[in-house]
Amino acid sequence: KAGVTQTPRYLIKTRGQQVTLSCSPISGHRSVSWYQQTPGQGLQFLFEYFSETQRNKGNFPGRFSGRQFSNSRSEMNVSTLELGDSALYLCASSSTTSGVYEQYFGPGTRLTVT
Amino acid sequence: QKEVEQNSGPLSVPEGAIASLNCTYSDRGSQSFFWYRQYSGKSPELIMFIYSNGDKEDGRFTAQLNKASQYVSLLIRDSQPSDSATYLCAVNSHSARQLTFGSGTQLTVLP
Repeated sequence: KAGVTQTPRYLIKTRGQQVTLSCSPISGHRSVSWYQQTPGQGLQFLFEYFSETQRNKGNFPGRFSGRQFSNSRSEMNVSTLELGDSALYLCASSSTTSGVYEQYFGPGTRLTVT
Repeated sequence: QKEVEQNSGPLSVPEGAIASLNCTYSDRGSQSFFWYRQYSGKSPELIMFIYSNGDKEDGRFTAQLNKASQYVSLLIRDSQPSDSATYLCAVNSHSARQLTFGSGTQLTVLP
């Protein structure tokens, strides 16, 4: 099976702009989660989508939003970018076939805000 | 108190030795425990998970879980330089469809 794919891999934006990141989960996986990783805060949960519905949300401002499509592909959007939004954004595709909530990460999108 | 705590390291071990990585968690409702490996500049890679008390072995890796002590560890036997990475502990509670990560332990295996 192909793994989780994320596009673009690298992005440079200016403060105040908005950005959209895309994620395609592993085939057959219906849950997609998004995380932000920074050196100072580590891996922090943004939100989780399942069957086009947001099931869970972390403690991030409303500037961070997401959606999921019927084919399970997901996008996240960050509006009014701030310098502190510079981070590695990771998408994770989840399976519970083993009875355990296993998450597999994509390669990430490295966002730099200048 | 952080929900998932790990020693940040760095932890250095000689090639061929056993590397021991530790993790404690605060939520007694936690049910599944995961170890991820993250090479510099890469995304986390799932190594193994455990949900029952005791040991679980997979090749050179052994995960150990003690729910009473709220403690999970990862042992890497016959450590290789290619094992040099940051190891992330993650916890999933029954009620939350999300993983809570520790800050990671940086491991260096010296040739």
